[in-house]
Amino acid sequence: GNSVTQMEGPVTLSEEAFLTINCTYTATGYPSLFWYVQYPGEGLQLLLKATKADDKGSNKGFEATYRKETTSFHLEKGSVQVSDSAVYFCALLYSGGGADGLTFGKGTHLIIQP
Amino acid sequence: EPEVTQTPSHQVTQMGQEVILRCVPISNHLYFYWYRQILGQKVEFLVSFYNNEISEKSEIFDDQFSVERPDGSNFTLKIRSTKLEDSAMYFCASRVRTNQPQHFGDGTRLSIL
Repeated sequence: GNSVTQMEGPVTLSEEAFLTINCTYTATGYPSLFWYVQYPGEGLQLLLKATKADDKGSNKGFEATYRKETTSFHLEKGSVQVSDSAVYFCALLYSGGGADGLTFGKGTHLIIQP
Repeated sequence: EPEVTQTPSHQVTQMGQEVILRCVPISNHLYFYWYRQILGQKVEFLVSFYNNEISEKSEIFDDQFSVERPDGSNFTLKIRSTKLEDSAMYFCASRVRTNQPQHFGDGTRLSIL
């Protein structure tokens, strides 16, 4: 079946540091890939997405590239801010067979210290 | 910006009781979803709903669960006889069509005593 694996957290960085959160997936066919973010006390917000191989999703300084050869969709940001502290979820949507529920990773808690 | 709203934000219920979680999806959206997140675990898909019927459900969504769109705006999740292991955060989501992303509500925290 489909699955998503994310690096375990919490990840603690200083402000302005470079961020990478690893995400790999297992899926049949060609899924769409997403990063969602959950700020404290809030719901899941779509951060970025990519729908096919080599697509790069970007938003708010975050980027992720859909790498089919390594089945990865790592999230990166060049300079993090305290306001980026949140839980980040990698997810996939398998577009075949009528299935349309997202498959999520466990989430990575990011803590940015001033 | 329109958003998905869920009520209540926190529900406390005795084991064995029925509970209904409510969601108001974004008004022009056609596809509706429920997910749950047990504390410390991943967000899990429960069910999707389109055109007034269930289009897909996971293994978690057994006979204790049901969904309904009773009117043009609400989308509800009912758990008939709650168990301790139903304690979780429940998220509602909606999207306008299949090639658009899902928008999530803030969730309802369900605590079963």
